[in-house]
Amino acid sequence: DQQVKQNSPSLSVQEGRISILNCDYTNSMFDYFLWYKKYPAEGPTFLISISSIKDKNEDGRFTVFLNKSAKHLSLHIVPSQPGDSAVYFCAASPYTGNQFYFGTGTSLTVIP
Amino acid sequence: DSGVTQTPKHLITATGQRVTLRCSPRSGDLSVYWYQQSLDQGLQFLIQYYNGEERAKGNILERFSAQQFPDLHSELNLSSLELGDSALYFCASSAMGRNYGYTFGSGTRLTVV
Repeated sequence: DQQVKQNSPSLSVQEGRISILNCDYTNSMFDYFLWYKKYPAEGPTFLISISSIKDKNEDGRFTVFLNKSAKHLSLHIVPSQPGDSAVYFCAASPYTGNQFYFGTGTSLTVIP
Repeated sequence: DSGVTQTPKHLITATGQRVTLRCSPRSGDLSVYWYQQSLDQGLQFLIQYYNGEERAKGNILERFSAQQFPDLHSELNLSSLELGDSALYFCASSAMGRNYGYTFGSGTRLTVV
């Protein structure tokens, strides 16, 4: 059972525009969320996190929004750059432990 | 270099065989996690070790086993391999707490033929 879902396998965006990547989760025990970025032939790298006590966290061009009632989070990238082209995974962790559950990933392509 | 080292990077083997994947965690990290990424699948959690002890188990098959040694490196053993075991296997490590997530290695690509 996939507890973390990324329903869009791919997304294409023009350079300079906003990229919005979405993630839904089902487990109400999840209270800490991460986004990872993955380039081909490399392992995922940590991008940004958010705790359930917040509804927004910002780091430069990257902002993560959390809607706890909808069990939904999103990653906004503004402005998008060609170097942002990668696969993005969202991950969630329950307050009972530090194991993370990952979504299936969204492949972002930023078109120059 | 993330600090997490996985060897080998690529492995091709036949069905029915056994292989061992190795992971050296980032210096100072006591936790090691193994994940499997099959085609079109997310990262599926297999197993976690903390300071030599098994801490959590995910969807790990009985044909698979792992251990973490006193020097904190970990090995994932896959036996009686099937075609469906072909995947990317990632190791990740973390310090105590969740605040910074995991640091992943670059993975081992296993191909079973």
